[in-house]
Amino acid sequence: QITLKESGPSLVRPTETLTVTCSLSGLSLTTSGVGVAWIRQPPGKALEWLALIYWDDDKRYSPSLKSRVTITQDTSKNQVVLTMTNIDPVDTATYYCALRLRGVLDFWGQGTLVTVSS
Amino acid sequence: DIQMTQSPSTLSASVGDRVTITCRASQSVSSWLAWYQQKPGKAPKLLIYKASTLQSGVPSRFSGSGSGTEFTLTISSLQPDDFATYYCQQYNFYSWTFGQGTRVEIK
Repeated sequence: QITLKESGPSLVRPTETLTVTCSLSGLSLTTSGVGVAWIRQPPGKALEWLALIYWDDDKRYSPSLKSRVTITQDTSKNQVVLTMTNIDPVDTATYYCALRLRGVLDFWGQGTLVTVSS
Repeated sequence: DIQMTQSPSTLSASVGDRVTITCRASQSVSSWLAWYQQKPGKAPKLLIYKASTLQSGVPSRFSGSGSGTEFTLTISSLQPDDFATYYCQQYNFYSWTFGQGTRVEIK
């Protein structure tokens, strides 16, 4: 059974760096073709794709956030980490990780709500 | 950036209605288009990928069509469980993008 679980702080101060972690179970990150994406959703708003990392460590980023976002993976822990610098209240959102298996996001985590406030 | 535009933004319908949602891409995404359903407080759920392939376990009343820049999601007979928000997403290019969503509400 494949599951993903996001973890991270619920509250972050403006200008700080946000780090959220996605833990994958039931499948190895090193499986050929596998990718893990981060998507966020501000309260009451639409989904926004942030970044994607493939099994071979190839990385893709949203052009609008590329300067602030970094995606990495720790294959020994089967985890994918997203960091976002210079956080702002507009970055308040539920952050989801999702698994790419057949080119598309087949499995999603439950999401973690991150609030940016002083 | 590829822009994905959904219409309508909100749709009011009754149980049993045939419902169609449109998604337009700012440039061709071939058939690399997916549809997701999201209910309040829940993660999105994959319904359709590659424009028209039904994800395993998804009821056959859902169908997708289109290619290039214009796509549709059709629910042939709306059921109570289908009231939700639907998103299209292109995965053809270096960066992926979602549409702004279509909320299907009870009439």
